[in-house]
Amino acid sequence: ETGVTQSPTHLIKTRGQQVTLRCSSQSGHNTVSWYQQALGQGPQFIFQYYREEENGRGNFPPRFSGLQFPNYSSELNVNALELDDSALYLCASSFGLPGPYGYTFGSGTRLTVV
Amino acid sequence: DQQVKQNSPSLSVQEGRISILNCDYTNSMFDYFLWYKKYPAEGPTFLISISSIKDKNEDGRFTVFLNKSAKHLSLHIVPSQPGDSAVYFCAASVRFGAGTRLTVKP
Repeated sequence: ETGVTQSPTHLIKTRGQQVTLRCSSQSGHNTVSWYQQALGQGPQFIFQYYREEENGRGNFPPRFSGLQFPNYSSELNVNALELDDSALYLCASSFGLPGPYGYTFGSGTRLTVV
Repeated sequence: DQQVKQNSPSLSVQEGRISILNCDYTNSMFDYFLWYKKYPAEGPTFLISISSIKDKNEDGRFTVFLNKSAKHLSLHIVPSQPGDSAVYFCAASVRFGAGTRLTVKP
């Protein structure tokens, strides 16, 4: 059983650019969620995808968008990058909503915007 | 939107003693409450959960208590071990607290 894998592990981008982060869900999981974790803070919910449809979104602007593919892998796209977008981006998968067994998280992508 | 709060950023305990990590929430509609553990350079890993219809759940050295009237839950680790040193996050649904860094001293 493979866990959640994210790529790349680190990334440096310039303000105003666009970035795409990728995630492969754990085998058998059909739900993927993306989180932003700034330094010293807890993970902030960006959005969740279930069977290729967005079914929940946190307080993030529309320049944060995503996709889930038929194999349940996912992408997070961020347009017009701002300095405050610098953070650890975590992908998490689950089978359905994260009930009593929670999510399986990837190790994250560290994004630095300069 | 701070529906889940962890007000203690850090906690230090001696090996063998009890660690108590606290969490408060505002939404009475949460079905489950979860605790995750996070080591540096890794994603959070699920530790233990409790259903909103229960007041206690135990798994080995880890016990979570839920006080619905106070909208408060706590994670007890007994006995604490140096390997327990990590950041612990309380979560409900898709919401996470800010985390508490636990340090267990040998």
